[in-house]
Amino acid sequence: DVKVTQSSRYLVKRTGEKVFLECVQDMDHENMFWYRQDPGLGLRLIYFSYDVKMKEKGDIPEGYSVSREKKERFSLILESASTNQTSMYLCASRPGTGWDEQYFGPGTRLTVT
Amino acid sequence: GENVEQHPSTLSVQEGDSAVIKCTYSDSASNYFPWYKQELGKGPQLIIDIRSNVGEKKDQRIAVTLNKTAKHFSLHITETQPEDSAVYFCAARSNDYKLSFGAGTTVTVRA
Repeated sequence: DVKVTQSSRYLVKRTGEKVFLECVQDMDHENMFWYRQDPGLGLRLIYFSYDVKMKEKGDIPEGYSVSREKKERFSLILESASTNQTSMYLCASRPGTGWDEQYFGPGTRLTVT
Repeated sequence: GENVEQHPSTLSVQEGDSAVIKCTYSDSASNYFPWYKQELGKGPQLIIDIRSNVGEKKDQRIAVTLNKTAKHFSLHITETQPEDSAVYFCAARSNDYKLSFGAGTTVTVRA
């Protein structure tokens, strides 16, 4: 069974703090993704990575950065958290290009106060 | 980029009835259309997908249809059960990496 784990289910941070969200997958997948989920907006892609140390901006990268130093781990960084970054963050991974299924983690609900 | 619209945003059905969710997409190059189900407290999980060279696909009580000319695709759930209550997302992929998702449909099955 493919497993995508996220470091925290719930996180509360203060405005201006630096926040790290960690994601680990155990199936040697090449591609990893970070989405944010907001009611009425669906899932919006923040960043993705198709290889170690490689990253590409998604649709809403402003205010975020990412790091992928190892194949199994993909981190989302909020350099200076703001209240409009309060959201559900979902990590996903996929084996490779083509038709492969994308597997999601359980999500991290981040609240910035 | 790809734009996916999904309707309705909420759907309430009587147990045993059918549920239909519709999506449209904008990029004619899109060639892969998955549907995800998200239960409370969990991440989305793939329930069925369809590729652009197929018009219809069925898996037990769920089916998906694709109309490439009109650029729309639909999810059909028959004989709904309480465990079908969840949020459903459609998506479209037009290149090798990015899925574009609809806004989601909250389905409630009334016992």
